[in-house]
Amino acid sequence: GESVGLHLPTLSVQEGDNSIINCAYSNSASDYFIWYKQESGKGPQFIIDIRSNMDKRQGQRVTVLLNKTVKHLSLQIAATQPGDSAVYFCAERKAAGNKLTFGGGTRVLVKP
Amino acid sequence: KAGVTQTPRYLIKTRGQQVTLSCSPISGHRSVSWYQQTPGQGLQFLFEYFSETQRNKGNFPGRFSGRQFSNSRSEMNVSTLELGDSALYLCASSTGQSGGQYFGPGTRLTVT
Repeated sequence: GESVGLHLPTLSVQEGDNSIINCAYSNSASDYFIWYKQESGKGPQFIIDIRSNMDKRQGQRVTVLLNKTVKHLSLQIAATQPGDSAVYFCAERKAAGNKLTFGGGTRVLVKP
Repeated sequence: KAGVTQTPRYLIKTRGQQVTLSCSPISGHRSVSWYQQTPGQGLQFLFEYFSETQRNKGNFPGRFSGRQFSNSRSEMNVSTLELGDSALYLCASSTGQSGGQYFGPGTRLTVT
């Protein structure tokens, strides 16, 4: 069945360093892979997505990498800031419809 | 543009009761999806409505139902509440085409 999972439940990062959050997926038929950030008491916030026919996409301070050979997705955050402390979820969906399948989440803690 | 709004934000119900949650999507968005978030199961897709029609459905019992109105606002209903229904219920809206989904702050439901 479909599943999207994460390797690390908690990631501690020094402020100013780069963060890398990893995610494994099992559904090769997914068309989009998305990263969300969820802060305490809030709903998930869209960060960036990537289509399945791409292997890299950059946003503001973030880069998403997709390796379809090993079914691996990663989110890189450059110069991590205290405001980046949150739980990060990867998700995937097909082009038709909006059903998102989420991974378990990784908590990122930024140390001053 | 105003974001996705959900009401109420917090709700306490007793086992066996029923509950109705409301979601107002971003203006112009025709797709509304509902998700359940629990510490044990993570984020799970409930259903999606597009133009007043259910387009996708997750693996939840029939006690969970929803509907969408002509103005795209959506409601979900849970009947015969169980303790395990305690969760954060999130609503997400999108245009229904490609692009990201935008989440509301959620309704925290506690069943006692």
